[in-house]
Amino acid sequence: AQTVTQSQPEMSVQEAETVTLSCTYDTSESDYYLFWYKQPPSRQMILVIRQEAYKQQNATENRFSVNFQKAAKSFSLKISDSQLGDAAMYFCAYRSPGAGTASKLTFGTGTRLQVTL
Amino acid sequence: KAGVTQTPRYLIKTRGQQVTLSCSPISGHRSVSWYQQTPGQGLQFLFEYFSETQRNKGNFPGRFSGRQFSNSRSEMNVSTLELGDSALYLCASSLGDGSYNEQFFGPGTRLTVL
Repeated sequence: AQTVTQSQPEMSVQEAETVTLSCTYDTSESDYYLFWYKQPPSRQMILVIRQEAYKQQNATENRFSVNFQKAAKSFSLKISDSQLGDAAMYFCAYRSPGAGTASKLTFGTGTRLQVTL
Repeated sequence: KAGVTQTPRYLIKTRGQQVTLSCSPISGHRSVSWYQQTPGQGLQFLFEYFSETQRNKGNFPGRFSGRQFSNSRSEMNVSTLELGDSALYLCASSLGDGSYNEQFFGPGTRLTVL
């Protein structure tokens, strides 16, 4: 079974600064998908960024980028120019390829990000 | 386009009762997944439905069940409620059941068992 580990329960960053959230995972599969989800205090979970394991290029979405190290099974999220609206719980998640029985998301325990003025 | 909706948003029940939670996916989405979120266990997968068929089930007791209707709306039922069932129950929908499909989450139903 796959596992996802987020070793930072809480992180803090000043507005306009950069912060990196860590995630490691364990799998025996060679192809899979990795995600970062954001859950603001309102509780609606939204997708921040997605990475396909077969792609070597790191995914980028505006101020959000990932550092995907497949051999090390590491998938960190970098938030640049942090904004107050970035304050939330961030979850790293893993998903096996394919459909049906392989389709569930496995989540890490989350990192609570605080953004200070 | 309307997002994923879940009803009710809040629910208080007592031990031994049963409860039914509802999820309406985004229009056109055929896959619905359910997750339980608790402070102690985090986010755990309950089950996934695609075209009215359960495709995948997490490691939960048989008291947890679900179904999907022909319009893709889904319900989950928990019978003989226990204190430990208190949680935020999240529903997520996607176009298909392939892993490449993005899952869109609803706001959740907060269940409190007294």
